Amino acid sequence: GNSVTQMEGPVTLSEEAFLTINCTYTATGYPSLFWYVQYPGEGLQLLLKATKADDKGSNKGFEATYRKETTSFHLEKGSVQVSDSAVYFCALSDLPGGGSEKLVFGKGTKLTVNP
Amino acid sequence: KAGVTQTPRYLIKTRGQQVTLSCSPISGHRSVSWYQQTPGQGLQFLFEYFSETQRNKGNFPGRFSGRQFSNSRSEMNVSTLELGDSALYLCASSLGEQYNEQFFGPGTRLTVL
Repeated sequence: GNSVTQMEGPVTLSEEAFLTINCTYTATGYPSLFWYVQYPGEGLQLLLKATKADDKGSNKGFEATYRKETTSFHLEKGSVQVSDSAVYFCALSDLPGGGSEKLVFGKGTKLTVNP
Repeated sequence: KAGVTQTPRYLIKTRGQQVTLSCSPISGHRSVSWYQQTPGQGLQFLFEYFSETQRNKGNFPGRFSGRQFSNSRSEMNVSTLELGDSALYLCASSLGEQYNEQFFGPGTRLTVL
C-alpha cells in the first residue's frame, strides 16, 4: 500500500537557521501531497500541499516541491523562528482521485527552535 | 466561524468497557474523517463519513465503528476496549470534494487502564 517515510528527528536548530525535513513516499499513481503541523496540545493544521508533479506548495515561508522522479516532498524554510517549534507531518492522499479525506501520514518530525 | 470541536477532550476507561467520542464539524462541511494517533504507530486513518454514509475505511477491527448524523456531526465508538486503544483520536472535517482542505479538531485523549 501507499506509505510515507520522513526523517524522525528530533531536530533542534537555532533561530534563523535553514530547515530541511526530508519526506519520501511510495504510491501507485500520483497522489496529492501535504505537510501538516501540530503545535503542542492542538490538532493538525494544513501547512501546504501540492496536487501534481513539479507543483510547489508554499505558506508562511515554508516550501515543498512535488518531485515525481525522486518520489519526494521535502519541507524547507530559509530562516526558522522560535514560533516554528512544532511537530511536522508529511502525508499523501490515499484516494484514487487525490482527495484529502483519507490520508497516509509519516511518523512526524519534532522541531525545536532555540533563541 | 467555529472550528472542529471534539468532546470529551479527555477520557479514562478500563479494559472491556466501550466508549463513544463525538465530533462536530465546521458548519457546512459534510465529510468527517477519524484518525488514531499513537507514539508507536503514528497517525492512522480509521474511517470517513460523508452525508451519513461511510465512504472510506481504514484497516481497524470491527470494534471500531462510527456514524454520522443528518447535521454532519459524527460519533465513533470503540467496544471492548484494550490497553492498546489508548491514543489521541482526531477528527477532521471538509466539504468533501476533491482537494478540499481538511480541518482537524484538537482531539480526544483516551486512556485505557
